[in-house]
Amino acid sequence: ILNVEQSPQSLHVQEGDSTNFTCSFPSSNFYALHWYRWETAKSPEALFVMTLNGDEKKKGRISATLNTKEGYSYLYIKGSQPEDSATYLCASNPNAGNMLTFGGGTRLMVKP
Amino acid sequence: GAGVSQSPSNKVTEKGKDVELRCDPISGHTALYWYRQSLGQGLEFLIYFQGNSAPDKSGLPSDRFSAERTGGSVSTLTIQRTQQEDSAVYLCASSLGQVATGELFFGEGSRLTVL
Repeated sequence: ILNVEQSPQSLHVQEGDSTNFTCSFPSSNFYALHWYRWETAKSPEALFVMTLNGDEKKKGRISATLNTKEGYSYLYIKGSQPEDSATYLCASNPNAGNMLTFGGGTRLMVKP
Repeated sequence: GAGVSQSPSNKVTEKGKDVELRCDPISGHTALYWYRQSLGQGLEFLIYFQGNSAPDKSGLPSDRFSAERTGGSVSTLTIQRTQQEDSAVYLCASSLGQVATGELFFGEGSRLTVL
């Protein structure tokens, strides 16, 4: 994988559903994997910065896991709420160094 | 304010004109990024400044684009002879430095429309 890729591109769920989406990134020269939430008309906000293989981080109903050997991260949302509706972005450094490259994002829409 | 500040928030210009977009990062943040999001696209990296090092300009789409960062603080992104395909939201972000530890703090963006 040469680029940071996210799937699915969009997702519609009902309030209360749990959901997850994927970020794939180059596993060589890995430094860090970032997750951001971007709500409409607002700035992207950081959710997690992850660096260690096997790491798992949690913030409220949102959690993320990291596999640096195979180059993927999962973001989980438990019991989705309408306010979780946003685009979720992941970013890594596929060319080594400190420059972050973003995936195309997963747009989540939670219906009440 | 304490956050990343960008101006203007909206800019409408005619094809062929030059535009300047400004970013004022969080004080003390050594790293500064410019990204853009065109309609229906993801965040596209443009340029990265880190302290006094030479910037990483590998994402600039053409020589009409340039950016500078004065005194390690404020940055200006300049687009010369704008084209319609330059229409996008231009986002600036800053961080304490290393991507392994420093999350990015984004501004609210400058929406550029080229007629």
